[in-house]
Amino acid sequence: EPEVTQTPSHQVTQMGQEVILRCVPISNHLYFYWYRQILGQKVEFLVSFYNNEISEKSEIFDDQFSVERPDGSNFTLKIRSTKLEDSAMYFCASSADPGGDEKLFFGSGTQLSVL
Amino acid sequence: QQQVKQSPQSLIVQKGGISIINCAYENTAFDYFPWYQQFPGKGPALLIAIRPDVSEKKEGRFTISFNKSAKQFSLHIMDSQPGDSATYFCAAAGQGGKLIFGQGTELSVKP
Repeated sequence: EPEVTQTPSHQVTQMGQEVILRCVPISNHLYFYWYRQILGQKVEFLVSFYNNEISEKSEIFDDQFSVERPDGSNFTLKIRSTKLEDSAMYFCASSADPGGDEKLFFGSGTQLSVL
Repeated sequence: QQQVKQSPQSLIVQKGGISIINCAYENTAFDYFPWYQQFPGKGPALLIAIRPDVSEKKEGRFTISFNKSAKQFSLHIMDSQPGDSATYFCAAAGQGGKLIFGQGTELSVKP
């Protein structure tokens, strides 16, 4: 089965530093998402991206966050100035057609630790 | 109105037993209700999903029961196995694919 690939699997950073989390969605998918999961809590929606623009974002996704599809294959999440509370597992997901019966495929996640 | 409430938080079942996890939602615009299985260190993986035009969907040992009027849906795992031990999340989505997840249920199946 095709996979969503995320790198790195673990990222440790100092508070205030910028981090970029990378994702390679499934090749024919057009809809891309970032979700996060704080340890022991539920998975939370951050942002959806379609046709090179954000289609929806949550209140978590403030000005410190940005997404980009720089080269037609990668999909990145940037956190400009990390805070302690940004520590979480970040999941990328992609879909061919979420309005139909096409499911969302999730990557294995990047564990971000902000010290 | 965007919440999905899931219970129980944890569940212990004997091998061969039935595991039942329940979810409730409020937003009547939701039209897609998936269940995800998550193993430690892995991303959520779709297990089974249902749309509100059917009341039940079965795939192997996994069944979703859906009650549109009560705005509730549940996952039944028949003949539960130790390999089913994982965290299970219900979710709901409207158009656009944005998933609202429940809090998760940690299932432990004892041999």
